[in-house]
Formats: sequence, C-alpha cells, structure tokens
Amino acid sequence: DIQMTQSPSTLSASVGDRVTITCRASQSISRWLAWYQQKPGKAPKLLIYKASSLESGVPSRFSGSGSGTEFTLTISSLQPDDFATYHCQQYNSYPYTFGQGTKLEIK
Amino acid sequence: EVQLVQSGAEVKKPGESLKISCKGSGYSFTSYWIGWVRQMPGKGLEWMGIIYPGDSDTRYSPSFQGQVTISADKSISTAYLQWSSLKASDTAMYYCARLEGYYMDVWGKGTTVTVSS
Repeated sequence: DIQMTQSPSTLSASVGDRVTITCRASQSISRWLAWYQQKPGKAPKLLIYKASSLESGVPSRFSGSGSGTEFTLTISSLQPDDFATYHCQQYNSYPYTFGQGTKLEIK
Repeated sequence: EVQLVQSGAEVKKPGESLKISCKGSGYSFTSYWIGWVRQMPGKGLEWMGIIYPGDSDTRYSPSFQGQVTISADKSISTAYLQWSSLKASDTAMYYCARLEGYYMDVWGKGTTVTVSS
C-alpha cells in the first residue's frame, strides 16, 4: 500500500492567516491526489482533485500543488468556516489510501 | 441533485451480522463506482473498497478483504456493506461515496455502527 503522511497533525492559526498543509506519499503518485475537508460530525467534502484542480463551488482561497511524492494544500486567508480537519488521499493505485488528517484549530 | 442516502444507525452485539445501505439518486447509478470508507472514533479515514454497480466489479483494500462484503443492487440504485460476524473493533462511522473517476466527489452522511455486548 502507498502510505500518505500529513504534516502537521494539528495546526493553530488565526482568521486571515495563510496556512499550508503538506502531504507526502511513500512512492510517486504523479498528480493523483485529492484533498477533503471534514467538520465534526459531518461527512468529508471534496475540495481539490488531481493535486490542483478546484472542485466546483469551493472558494478560490483554497489551492493545491505538487506532484510525485510531495503535495501541499494552501488556504490563502483563513475564514471562520475553514476550521476543520483536512485529509489527503492518493488514487494512483489500490487501495486509495488517506493521510491521517490535519486538524486546523483556532489560535 | 446528486445524493447518496445511507441507512440509519445500528447497534449490534458481537457475532451478529449486519448489512448497511447507500442509495444513489440524481445520476446514473450504474455509471459510477461507489466506495466505502471507515472512520473509527476520533481517527482518520480508511478506504475499504469500491464497487461498480454496472457489473458488480469490486475491489477491496487488503486490510478489509475477507472482513466485509461490498455488493450492489442496480435495480434499486443501492450499494451495500455487510458483515457476517461483527466485532467490537467494527464500531465506527461508515461513509459511502461516489467516485468521479477515482476520487470521491459526493458523500453520504454516514452510518454509525456500534458493536457492544
């Protein structure tokens, strides 16, 4: 299985901050990576696919980049609604594994 | 509107069987893979497996192969996840999701499964 490792596990930030979450794959996955946002008690929501393609309806303050084994999710200016847990997922090869998640907290 | 509606919360005893469901609407159910994802309490997401309802082609994560069965009934646009003998460690939230290509673009709200004696 491809292992996905996110860092940091927890991130404290303030409204208006620019934040970056990193996701590393144990082997190259080209650009076959998605990012999801999950709020407590809710299902995950797709934000980004193919490393940098923004899902329809997702605010443009979210962006993704990377290829191969290293990827980033950036939120350009944090809004109150963005405090949540973020998960990356590779879909290069079965099983389509997730990272362990990054919890974005209010500082 | 594309929707996946999951069955309600379940409370079961160890050793019991269970089948939970995920009904799709608003799109061609037989044209998209459906996946199942486990989230244990306070933990991350785990990809369990997927099924293509058009021909019931199924792929499992090695971690879940033999532990669960994924199936679908295309006549009623419903996918299933089932256990033959539950364990306490199966206590979790289970999500179904539609795969757009290979990533999960539409998710159900989840089904909570609690296994306790």
